[in-house]
Amino acid sequence: EAGVVQSPRYKIIEKKQPVAFWCNPISGHNTLYWYLQNLGQGPELLIRYENEEAVDDSQLPKDRFSAERLKGVDSTLKIQPAELGDSAVYLCASSHRTGDKNIQYFGAGTRLSVL
Amino acid sequence: LAKTTQPISMDSYEGQEVNITCSHNNIATNDYITWYQQFPSQGPRFIIQGYKTKVTNEVASLFIPADRKSSTLSLPRVSLSDTAVYYCLVGISGSARQLTFGSGTQLTVLP
Repeated sequence: EAGVVQSPRYKIIEKKQPVAFWCNPISGHNTLYWYLQNLGQGPELLIRYENEEAVDDSQLPKDRFSAERLKGVDSTLKIQPAELGDSAVYLCASSHRTGDKNIQYFGAGTRLSVL
Repeated sequence: LAKTTQPISMDSYEGQEVNITCSHNNIATNDYITWYQQFPSQGPRFIIQGYKTKVTNEVASLFIPADRKSSTLSLPRVSLSDTAVYYCLVGISGSARQLTFGSGTQLTVLP
């Protein structure tokens, strides 16, 4: 079974430029998550989707960040414009809810460097 | 949000058993306890999940006392490849707490 696929693996941009990350979750997983991870810290949730609906985006900086999940499968996270402080690893995860257990499966992440 | 507390770091030697304890005093009745492992340049990977008593799989055991206010991840006979960050999470499906990772425990296995 293929895992969660993210692209690109690395991205270097100059500040004020736009950037987009793509995620393909595990087939059949209805829940998709985007996390941000700074060096030495645990992942922090940005947004959670149940199928096409964003059910928790309270931590997403909506002035510059946006996300979409078309047809309840792939998802894209965009930053426009990027700031120096956005340099981090962006992780995507998916899960298939089985009762209350909800085990998440993560992609390898996209490492963003903003110069 | 309910908070979990773990040691920041631990060192061990190859072949030893390692126990990492997580405190979760505010655990709710329906919460599950889930542990993830993360290697550098990779996303976290599910290790084990439990609700009460003891759970064992091919890589680890999870011990949960009767009051469920803490849990202990046990890694038998660790090797160098077990060097990673280990995260403890509590919550039920869809809850914000279940998605709160904290800073984790950096386990370093020495030769």
